[in-house]
Amino acid sequence: GAGVSQSPSNKVTEKGKDVELRCDPISGHTALYWYRQSLGQGLEFLIYFQGNSAPDKSGLPSDRFSAERTGGSVSTLTIQRTQQEDSAVYLCASSWDRDQPQHFGDGTRLSIL
Amino acid sequence: GDSVTQMEGPVTLSEEAFLTINCTYTATGYPSLFWYVQYPGEGLQLLLKATKADDKGSNKGFEATYRKETTSFHLEKGSVQVSDSAVYFCALRENTGGFKTIFGAGTRLFVKA
Repeated sequence: GAGVSQSPSNKVTEKGKDVELRCDPISGHTALYWYRQSLGQGLEFLIYFQGNSAPDKSGLPSDRFSAERTGGSVSTLTIQRTQQEDSAVYLCASSWDRDQPQHFGDGTRLSIL
Repeated sequence: GDSVTQMEGPVTLSEEAFLTINCTYTATGYPSLFWYVQYPGEGLQLLLKATKADDKGSNKGFEATYRKETTSFHLEKGSVQVSDSAVYFCALRENTGGFKTIFGAGTRLFVKA
């Protein structure tokens, strides 16, 4: 497809379980971002990948959160031992380069029971 | 750290009314400024941007001017339409270091026919 693709679109899981969220950026985009949008809140920056450089992880809220980007393309955000406060919409965005506008996916709505 | 503050919503207007959504920022450097829009049921998309002081971004009848002296980037439209109903996010992107993008909390706009 032409846009940023995220999967799953919805995920419901029990507290304490691990979850993996996937992002397929637009082909050729070197920059990839993860954000979290909690109910009624703005977008909270989580992590940023740029090419082969070390990622900017400064927004990850705890060590339960991690992300990787394989081959400079697909990215996976992993949340271990989920907590109820992790419930949110997780958005992925990509851009041609770090100073270009970001294109957003539709997000994954994560609900922790 | 850098931050973005935008007016709380919801904002409710009648069709053809004048729209202003205020946005102010704090930044240590010289960021780029953006407005993103999220229409109902759709993903975030870039509406307009400005990369330096006194630049005016414009798109779809919306405008915003980068005011360094007041650290503001207010969004305006002279005559809103029902189809403009959406959530609007002001954002800044650091242009040094990690190029992190920081978003405001979003302002929901309802336009009545």
